[in-house]
Amino acid sequence: DAKTTQPTSMDCAEGRAANLPCNHSTISGNEYVYWYRQIHSQGPQYIIHGLKNNETNEMASLIITEDRKSSTLILPHATLRDTAVYYCIVRVPNAGKSTFGDGTTLTVKP
Amino acid sequence: EAQVTQNPRYLITVTGKKLTVTCSQNMNHEYMSWYRQDPGLGLRQIYYSMNVEVTDKGDVPEGYKVSRKEKRNFPLILESPSPNQTSLYFCASRVLAGGSTDTQYFGPGTRLTVL
Repeated sequence: DAKTTQPTSMDCAEGRAANLPCNHSTISGNEYVYWYRQIHSQGPQYIIHGLKNNETNEMASLIITEDRKSSTLILPHATLRDTAVYYCIVRVPNAGKSTFGDGTTLTVKP
Repeated sequence: EAQVTQNPRYLITVTGKKLTVTCSQNMNHEYMSWYRQDPGLGLRQIYYSMNVEVTDKGDVPEGYKVSRKEKRNFPLILESPSPNQTSLYFCASRVLAGGSTDTQYFGPGTRLTVL
């Protein structure tokens, strides 16, 4: 799996967009970018994934740069319930090994 | 309801006393995995299984054993627990669909304390 670098922590005002960056400069051509989040010691929850095109679902948007060396997860209207640790993972689909890294602790403030 | 269950949810034990943490999924997933999480650290993979009777080491397999005799179950065995295995443990499963979807479904976690 390619190594990822994320900021340790970020704050965001409630109702504003939360933009969480992830650097993955060693990503290879067949590796996807996956995002999960973990709310207060619960099991992590899948958010979104992508290869090279921008992706959007009901939870978030994922923007991947053209060179694929970095990406940004966007929560368009953050709520207090979005306070969590967000993990950016780069891996080949269906691989056995899975490395989560340390993630970014997002705190949404009223 | 599709889910991954773990038992027990909380366990306090003593050094050297063998224990098993069970994991079961009802989604017919081929892939199952165990992770541990320690304060300030992300999830570290212990073992994983791509299908019945197929298991492989993750990043931190020392001191753990697993088995996959049935598709739905993937127990984690600590033959001789030590205090450095005090941690929060998560089991996860996912389908191996051949596409890019990599959604892992996680259990609620087992908090283990070894005295």
